[in-house]
Amino acid sequence: GAVVSQHPSRVICKSGTSVKIECRSLDFQATTMFWYRQFPKQSLMLMATSNEGSKATYEQGVEKDKFLINHASLTLSTLTVTSAHPEDSSFYICSAALVRWPKNTEAFFGQGTRLTVV
Amino acid sequence: DAKTTQPPSMDCAEGRAANLPCNHSTISGNEYVYWYRQIHSQGPQYIIHGLKNNETNEMASLIITEDRKSSTLILPHATLRDTAVYYCIVGVQGAQKLVFGQGTRLTINP
Repeated sequence: GAVVSQHPSRVICKSGTSVKIECRSLDFQATTMFWYRQFPKQSLMLMATSNEGSKATYEQGVEKDKFLINHASLTLSTLTVTSAHPEDSSFYICSAALVRWPKNTEAFFGQGTRLTVV
Repeated sequence: DAKTTQPPSMDCAEGRAANLPCNHSTISGNEYVYWYRQIHSQGPQYIIHGLKNNETNEMASLIITEDRKSSTLILPHATLRDTAVYYCIVGVQGAQKLVFGQGTRLTINP
């Protein structure tokens, strides 16, 4: 299967600082990537859709000025958590869609980034 | 909101078939049924998907009822490494905006 890589896998930062998380599709191009957040013992919650070359689309309740998304190329999307606070501590996961014509379109997920804000 | 309903947890003995049910009574005609699983502290892993015909791959089989209102994921010979949360998701192929429900926590017991 296709590979989606996230970096870093784990990060600890101080309250008030910003953290950037990278999501790369290693062996395919993805015009669309997705960012999710997962709190302990909960399901994944979609935060935003990242579109290459255009602005991201955020889900209701997600602050776009706090969670900055940049999708500058067909293989890279970044999520920056600005002015992080302890309540932003979570598991952040990205996905990228691989289209295999004519039938299969699969979403491949990164391994996730565990953010801890202290 | 998720459009699927799954039991919160299930247990299965190692080596036996694990059958995970999913209800999706409001599924639209152009929506597919996707199954993913998430092993602890990892990203979700794609398992299988289908529209109306039963599907099989090297990981699992997907049985979709004729009215498409429910489906069953079958892991034919479960191993301890199959312990994970399994998510059943409905969505339009190509959109890939997957909305996750609570999933089923499957525990494979030795």
